[in-house]
Amino acid sequence: DAKTTQPPSMDCAEGRAANLPCNHSTISGNEYVYWYRQIHSQGPQYIIHGLKNNETNEMASLIITEDRKSSTLILPHATLRDTAVYYCIVRDAYSGAGSYQLTFGKGTKLSVIP
Amino acid sequence: GAVVSQHPSRVICKSGTSVKIECRSLDFQATTMFWYRQFPKKSLMLMATSNEGSKATYEQGVEKDKFLINHASLTLSTLTVTSAHPEDSSFYICSAEFLNEQFFGPGTRLTVL
Repeated sequence: DAKTTQPPSMDCAEGRAANLPCNHSTISGNEYVYWYRQIHSQGPQYIIHGLKNNETNEMASLIITEDRKSSTLILPHATLRDTAVYYCIVRDAYSGAGSYQLTFGKGTKLSVIP
Repeated sequence: GAVVSQHPSRVICKSGTSVKIECRSLDFQATTMFWYRQFPKKSLMLMATSNEGSKATYEQGVEKDKFLINHASLTLSTLTVTSAHPEDSSFYICSAEFLNEQFFGPGTRLTVL
């Protein structure tokens, strides 16, 4: 079973920030939070990941609460091309080849509306 | 960098035939690749972990004799769906492990008539 809980769907107006929440209340100290997205009929695309600190890259920002039990992915200026299913995944720190298995939950279907 | 391709992107076959799907890492070598299956409006489900030069590790409930995996080189893993049936129709996605991360292919849509 996935270790995360996400709302099944969200809408966001084009140009506005999209804030996607994720609950991972059972996360352990050596587990990272990863975010992927999947545009319809394509393979998943990596967005961002973090352990404790907030992270930012060219695609998004990741805000992790101090107790690490939840996080929020922020797309600062959503466009129509950001319409996708967003998956929040927790996984162990890397411990050798083949250890990097990802368990996908149901994700959040984000619809960006013109 | 870290591009993964799949071939074919779409395939339609008759029931009872076998279909081979290729997964290639284009600009890196991957000791480990993963195969996922995704049914409509469902999430990705890991089928097996493919290790170069050794036997694949299958997830519980996945028939290894039906879904043959070969990882003969550091840039190629193949998934063969043997004696395909309509219930095998799905979106098959591979990924490759590189620099402690996982990079996904674009997927292969299999339709079994």
